Amino acid sequence: AQSVAQPEDQVNVAEGNPLTVKCTYSVSGNPYLFWYVQYPNRGLQFLLKYITGDNLVKGSYGFEAEFNKSQTSFHLKKPSALVSDSALYFCAVRDNRGAGNMLTFGGGTRLMVKP
Amino acid sequence: DAGVTQSPTHLIKTRGQHVTLRCSPISGHKSVSWYQQVLGQGPQFIFQYYEKEERGRGNFPDRFSARQFPNYSSELNVNALLLGDSALYLCASSPAGGPNSPLHFGNGTRLTVT
Repeated sequence: AQSVAQPEDQVNVAEGNPLTVKCTYSVSGNPYLFWYVQYPNRGLQFLLKYITGDNLVKGSYGFEAEFNKSQTSFHLKKPSALVSDSALYFCAVRDNRGAGNMLTFGGGTRLMVKP
Repeated sequence: DAGVTQSPTHLIKTRGQHVTLRCSPISGHKSVSWYQQVLGQGPQFIFQYYEKEERGRGNFPDRFSARQFPNYSSELNVNALLLGDSALYLCASSPAGGPNSPLHFGNGTRLTVT
């Protein structure tokens, strides 16, 4: 069965500094990986995905993620954090058992960007 | 264009009751999925429907059921509610049902079971 681990419950970073939110995964076959962000009392917003191709994936709002097959990781990064980036971030992997697009999510990492 | 809309936004029910949650996908999207998000956890997959047929089911008891209508809207039904069913229920739509289609989530229905 597939699984996703987000080892940090919370990441604190100062505005303007680079940020990294960590994610490791376990899945049989080729991984389809996603990052979503959730603001308070809202649903999840899609940030970026890795299906195949370049290991560095660029997404919305200046975010990018680096796929590392040997380390089974898909860390989310941003060169310069904004206070408005403060939110809950979820890493997810597609369930390869079926033909659909059901996702298995990690437990989430709360990002706090301080002015 | 309107995003994924869910109704109601909040709901309070008593143990043993049943509940129906509704979801309208983005126009043109044919797949709808349901997720349960318990406070402090990541969303957990419940169902996916594509072209009105069930494409996947998560590890939830038979008390949970869903369906998709010809206009691609969907309902999630939960019978015999338990306290542990209290959660944010998220609906997501995608243009197609395959793995390359990112999910577009609604804002959810907050269900409280007392």
